[in-house]
Amino acid sequence: DQQVKQNSPSLSVQEGRISILNCDYTNSMFDYFLWYKKYPAEGPTFLISISSIKDKNEDGRFTVFLNKSAKHLSLHIVPSQPGDSAVYFCAATWANSKLTFGKGITLSVRP
Amino acid sequence: DSGVTQTPKHLITATGQRVTLRCSPRSGDLSVYWYQQSLDQGLQFLIQYYNGEERAKGNILERFSAQQFPDLHSELNLSSLELGDSALYFCASSVGFDEQFFGPGTRLTVL
Repeated sequence: DQQVKQNSPSLSVQEGRISILNCDYTNSMFDYFLWYKKYPAEGPTFLISISSIKDKNEDGRFTVFLNKSAKHLSLHIVPSQPGDSAVYFCAATWANSKLTFGKGITLSVRP
Repeated sequence: DSGVTQTPKHLITATGQRVTLRCSPRSGDLSVYWYQQSLDQGLQFLIQYYNGEERAKGNILERFSAQQFPDLHSELNLSSLELGDSALYFCASSVGFDEQFFGPGTRLTVL
């Protein structure tokens, strides 16, 4: 049973445009959500997070939006840069328990 | 560099064998997590240790075991290896239970 779903395996966008990466979850107990970025041959690195008491969190070019009623979150990258090309994992947790990850989405930013 | 180290980087072994993967967490981090990433799969949580004690268990097979030592480094032991155990194994560490810092991973190939 996949509690965190990233239904699109890949996304390709033009440099300078917006990248929108989506994530859905099924467990309503989740109260903290994170995005990780992973380059080939490296471990995932933390990107941005959001608590369920917020609906938006921004850090530079990266913004995460949370829609609790729809059990949906999205990561917006504006403007997208070629260096953003990587695999992005959505993760969720609750009550300081383990992180549950999605399968990841491969973002390609075309120059 | 996340500060989490994993050895070895690559491991090639045969079916039926046993291997040990090692992880040193970031200085000061008490929690260590182990994840498995197989082809086309997201990060599957295996097990978490906190200050030497097992804290949470995920999809860890009975053939796999882990421990965290007094100096906080951790080892993941995989025995009676099967072809399907070929994967990337990541270790992560954290101070608490949310943002985790990942090591570069160990690529295990079972022939």
